[in-house]
Amino acid sequence: QVQLVESGGGLVKPGGSLRLSCAASGFTFSDYHMSWIRQAPGKGLECVSYITSSSTYTNYADSVKGRFTISRDNAKNSLYLQLNSLRAEDTAVYYCARAPYGGSPTRPEYFQRWGQGTLVTVSS
Amino acid sequence: YVLTQPPSVSVSPGQTARITCSGDALPKQYAYWYQQKPGQAPVLVIYKDSERPSGIPERFSGSSSGTTVTLTISGVQAEDEADYYCQSADSSGTYEVFGGGTKLTVL
Repeated sequence: QVQLVESGGGLVKPGGSLRLSCAASGFTFSDYHMSWIRQAPGKGLECVSYITSSSTYTNYADSVKGRFTISRDNAKNSLYLQLNSLRAEDTAVYYCARAPYGGSPTRPEYFQRWGQGTLVTVSS
Repeated sequence: YVLTQPPSVSVSPGQTARITCSGDALPKQYAYWYQQKPGQAPVLVIYKDSERPSGIPERFSGSSSGTTVTLTISGVQAEDEADYYCQSADSSGTYEVFGGGTKLTVL
């Protein structure tokens, strides 16, 4: 069955860095666009970044542009998010999510399957 | 780009709950709905305005009219108490945007 397992979260000081990972299984990873979506404590959902199946297209929320970098390794069935210059407002649960198969070639459209998330806390 | 949802909706068991989501680009872009229970990841309950994924109960339905889309839950059950988020694309069709979420309370 489809599984998405995030890791790499933790406590980091403002200005610090983290690398999140998402291990995918149960489907042909290289066929699907992938995204990172975050949820600050008690708040709503925000699509932080997405990457198309072959890494041709990436996009970022304005709130993280220039600080976060999304990447993937289709040979390892893994998705990554490099978080740099972290701020207190980046504190959130970060979810890895899979798009549906066969949709738009340039964006995910929607999020068909989600991981359980990993918590990033930015605090001194 | 903003998708606007009411912060909360309350219904009694067995009644019908309607949660709206408004946005200027909704006449041109599909809408999607997610259910999120406390401590859990969101789950897709409606896609492309009105399609229901396999495994989602028939009491969940979606509709669209102009700049507003609606998630309807007929015969609400206690287990439907959750936060519900709409999602669509921005007006340029290049980025995915979520509404602020609606907390459904089953009285």
